[in-house]
Amino acid sequence: QVQLVESGGGVVQPGGALRLSCAASGFTFTSHTMHWVRQAPGKGLEWVAFVRYDGSDEYYADSVKGRFTISRDTSKNILYLQMSRLRGEDTAMYYCTRDSSWTMFDYWGQGTLVTVYS
Amino acid sequence: QSALTQPRSVSGSPGQSVTISCTGTNSDVGAYNYVSWYQQHPGKAPQLVIYDVSKRPSGVPDRFSGSKSGNTASLTISGLQAEDEADYSCCSYAGTSTHVAFGGGTKVTVL
Repeated sequence: QVQLVESGGGVVQPGGALRLSCAASGFTFTSHTMHWVRQAPGKGLEWVAFVRYDGSDEYYADSVKGRFTISRDTSKNILYLQMSRLRGEDTAMYYCTRDSSWTMFDYWGQGTLVTVYS
Repeated sequence: QSALTQPRSVSGSPGQSVTISCTGTNSDVGAYNYVSWYQQHPGKAPQLVIYDVSKRPSGVPDRFSGSKSGNTASLTISGLQAEDEADYSCCSYAGTSTHVAFGGGTKVTVL
């Protein structure tokens, strides 16, 4: 069965960095575009970034452009989100999700919590 | 502020129908038939209930339906049940500049 398991969240000071991971299993990882979506406490979902199925392109929300980098390791079936220059407004639960067709996010991980706190 | 506009809350009694609107622009909802809807129970990850405006993934009850008119998409839950109480968020493909837009979410309360 399809599984997405995030890890790497934690508490970090403003200006700090974290790397999130999402281990994928149960499907052909190289056949799907993968996204990171976040949700601040009590708020709605916010798209963060995606990387194409073949790693050829990556795109970012304006709020994280230049600070976050999405990547994928196809040998290990892991999706990453490298976050730097973190700000208070980056505090959120971060989900990885599989895209099966033009924002058809059919599987989600359980999320990993990032808290930016001084 | 979210890119797509949803009402903060809607409510209905068991067995009734509720409809949630999702208003965007002619750069997202109005431009593409790639609107999806997600159900989220407290403390849980979102779950897909509708994709491509009106298609239901396998396993989603047929009381969930989707539609679109112009720049506004809608999710209707017919025959409301207690387990339908949750937050619902819409999502749309938004072209090659913005890429993905989400709504702010709507809390559905079963009275």
